Amino acid sequence: GAVVSQHPSRVICKSGTSVKIECRSLDFQATTMFWYRQFPKQSLMLMATSNEGSKATYEQGVEKDKFLINHASLTLSTLTVTSAHPEDSSFYICSAGIPRGGAEETQYFGPGTRLLVL
Amino acid sequence: QKEVEQNSGPLSVPEGAIASLNCTYSDRVSQSFFWYRQYSGKSPELIMSIYSNGDKEDGRFTAQLNKASQYVSLLIRDSQPSDSATYLCAVTNSNSGYALNFGKGTSLLVTP
Repeated sequence: GAVVSQHPSRVICKSGTSVKIECRSLDFQATTMFWYRQFPKQSLMLMATSNEGSKATYEQGVEKDKFLINHASLTLSTLTVTSAHPEDSSFYICSAGIPRGGAEETQYFGPGTRLLVL
Repeated sequence: QKEVEQNSGPLSVPEGAIASLNCTYSDRVSQSFFWYRQYSGKSPELIMSIYSNGDKEDGRFTAQLNKASQYVSLLIRDSQPSDSATYLCAVTNSNSGYALNFGKGTSLLVTP
């Protein structure tokens, strides 16, 4: 159980194009999904919290118009990097939470999407 | 952003030894504590979760939590070369919507 998938696993695109990344919880429903970004040799940094049926909550410094998040269902959240530039090249990882009790959750991570913008 | 601190390492231990990984956190209202293992180029994999003071054992792994000292640790017994990875400590609290706040990770190298 607790399987989270991401697609694509790797993408190379030209500067200025948009890239959509899908995150799916395969065997459970996730009210909340999280999007993280990880640059080489650094830890994961939370970009935004995605709630099903409502607008995402973005962390300070993350441009909501550049990183569009849609949580259309309890099993699917998408992150679209709009007008990607080389500095957006990174490892993007989503996670989905399984409630532990009350409102608390244990998060399981997808395999990640490696984005390279040329 | 509240801090989660880990020694970056690398921590090198011989095969069969006990590896001890440490983590401190600054936010006293932190409620949940996690250890993730991340292999190079891969996403994090949940190893242990701990929510109350004391020890929690799962196979070769033991997590220890001391909320008074704001300290959480992970012990890996009978370390194997396959345990070589970066270990990420993460904490959450209700104020942050249970989003994970990660430390920078400790690199562990288990030598044959």
